[in-house]
Amino acid sequence: AQSVTQLGSHVSVSEGALVLLRCNYSSSVPPYLFWYVQYPNQGLQLLLKYTTGATLVKGINGFEAEFKKSETSFHLTKPSAHMSDAAEYFCVVTANTGNQFYFGTGTSLTVIP
Amino acid sequence: GAVVSQHPSWVICKSGTSVKIECRSLDFQATTMFWYRQFPKQSLMLMATSNEGSKATYEQGVEKDKFLINHASLTLSTLTVTSAHPEDSSFYICSIQGGWTEAFFGQGTRLTVV
Repeated sequence: AQSVTQLGSHVSVSEGALVLLRCNYSSSVPPYLFWYVQYPNQGLQLLLKYTTGATLVKGINGFEAEFKKSETSFHLTKPSAHMSDAAEYFCVVTANTGNQFYFGTGTSLTVIP
Repeated sequence: GAVVSQHPSWVICKSGTSVKIECRSLDFQATTMFWYRQFPKQSLMLMATSNEGSKATYEQGVEKDKFLINHASLTLSTLTVTSAHPEDSSFYICSIQGGWTEAFFGQGTRLTVV
C-alpha cells in the first residue's frame, strides 16, 4: 500500500522567494510520484511526475521536484515565486501494482507581494 | 493528455432532491473512471471506481444507494446524488487514468444543498 504526507498545510512566501513544498511517501514497491496544482473551484492540473529514470524532474511553470529514495521524499521547488503560483498543491503516489492514486492532504501556497 | 469534461460546474439543489453529475472523456475511451469528493480545505478522497458495463466499486464508508454511479459507455460516467442533504455539499471530481502513470481530472462540480 502507499501513502503520502505533506508537511505544512499552509505555506507563505514572498514574491520572488524560493518555494519549497514538502512531500514524503510510503510505499512497499517502487512508487510513481506526482504533483498536481488546483486553483479555486477547478480540477487538478499535473505539474510534474516521476516514474522511472532521472530523479530530478522538471515540470510546468518552472517547478521541479527530486525523488530521493533514501529519504522517501519528493519535495517540490521553484526558485522564484510568482503571484500566479498561489494555489493548492497535492502530492500523489501510486504504483504499478494497482490503479489507485493516493493523495496527500494538500498544501495551500500563498504568495505575498 | 486526455481531456475530461465534467458538467455541471456548480449546482444548487434543495434538500431531498437528486442531482446528476456527468463526466465525459472527450478523446479517450475509458473503461474505468474514478469519482472523488473533496471537502473544503481537505484532500481528495476516492469515493468509487466506475466500470463500463458493470457495477461500480465503492470505497469503504460510501453509501452506494445514495451515490449512484452509471458507466454506460466508454466516454460517459454519471454520479447521481440521491435525496441530497446539506452534508452532501462538497466538490466532486472525476478522473480517468492512463494506467498508473497519469491521471486526468475533470474541472469538478461544486454541489450545494440548501
